[in-house]
Amino acid sequence: DTEVTQTPKHLVMGMTNKKSLKCEQHMGHRAMYWYKQKAKKPPELMFVYSYEKLSINESVPSRFSPECPNSSLLNLHLHALQPEDSALYLCASSPGPLWKLFFGSGTQLSVL
Amino acid sequence: QQPVQSPQAVILREGEDAVINCSSSKALYSVHWYRQKHGEAPVFLMILLKGGEQKGHDKISASFNEKKQQSSLYLTASQLSYSGTYFCGTVYNQGGKLIFGQGTELSVKP
Repeated sequence: DTEVTQTPKHLVMGMTNKKSLKCEQHMGHRAMYWYKQKAKKPPELMFVYSYEKLSINESVPSRFSPECPNSSLLNLHLHALQPEDSALYLCASSPGPLWKLFFGSGTQLSVL
Repeated sequence: QQPVQSPQAVILREGEDAVINCSSSKALYSVHWYRQKHGEAPVFLMILLKGGEQKGHDKISASFNEKKQQSSLYLTASQLSYSGTYFCGTVYNQGGKLIFGQGTELSVKP
């Protein structure tokens, strides 16, 4: 299994909603990442988990809360988002930090 | 610090060659190259570590010039499937983070 699976593929939420994005990999990778990508822009790093510990937080607003319950799962909890948070949210994993990244197909998020 | 890619966009006919450059103002530890097709996730192409090595991936290869702090991606005899946005990602030190350039949009026409 060489896939990173993200759910849901699409999400529409209001500014008062609470939702979660999920990411799963079964490749035994020890580093997992959340990226945010706006249209026609490069992916922007949000968080890095290395060996299930948060190693990088790119000064992301607290309305985004990451969680790594185990080495195969990564969640991103969303609360009180703003319309400007609408974007494609990509999860990635790698065998170790800064190795080749395997990306999931992303969650297209719209905040109304 | 975000690396600078050039050109921003390029249009090719099938069979033509292209070069995409990725430059940094800081000393690089490694450079990654990814391709993203419209509506899809980025896909890894290759990693180059400092040392000026050149790597190949089918008809796509890349080099890393440590003196110039620049990496170049070479696409030879382009195919329609090469179309997409190419991103370089730079790492400045071991344990650092991967920062993507702004991307180069490549279109290959029949």
